Amino acid sequence: DAGITQSPRYKITETGRQVTLMCHQTWSHSYMFWYRQDLGHGLRLIYYSAAADITDKGEVPDGYVVSRSKTENFPLTLESATRSQTSVYFCASRMVSTEAFFGQGTRLTVV
Amino acid sequence: KQEVTQIPAALSVPEGENLVLNCSFTDSAIYNLQWFRQDPGKGLTSLLLIQSSQREQTSGRLNASLDKSSGRSTLYIAASQPGDSATYLCAVWGNGNQFYFGTGTSLTVIP
Repeated sequence: DAGITQSPRYKITETGRQVTLMCHQTWSHSYMFWYRQDLGHGLRLIYYSAAADITDKGEVPDGYVVSRSKTENFPLTLESATRSQTSVYFCASRMVSTEAFFGQGTRLTVV
Repeated sequence: KQEVTQIPAALSVPEGENLVLNCSFTDSAIYNLQWFRQDPGKGLTSLLLIQSSQREQTSGRLNASLDKSSGRSTLYIAASQPGDSATYLCAVWGNGNQFYFGTGTSLTVIP
């Protein structure tokens, strides 16, 4: 299916565990982004990528790691999950002059 | 760092009214600005994209304007309907390759 998909949609994990959120897009968009959305903070940029093998930090990168070996995939890893990382995570993709499209989100709960 | 502000944070109007949502940004060096809507518990749906060279963009009952020099955009919704109830977000894309969001306006249209 064409579009941008995130997996899993829901995840419960324990404090200290490593967890990876997946993002896949089918448009060959060069730019990809990870955001977290929390009440009172809106959407905050975690990491972004301008192309394969090029990634950069956003506003709140601490505790997260990203990679982009292929244009279509942009996984986000929480190296050692903490309760403060409980949030809804959104992935997005775009080209410079086109619309950005978002995935449906991953609701992550860290217990 | 780009700061994006949306006022008001919440708005309640009777069905049929025309309304305006506001978005302001601090750095006028942008490539484009995009408006989204988000329904509760859902992802972001793109509404309109305005390039920095454009003054306005229309889609159905929606009209978005952009005044880059003053750092402002407005989203005009004509003849509001209960189905328009959602949170509306603006986002700007600029020189830093980052895509910054405002905190949104929560709209309720009362039947």
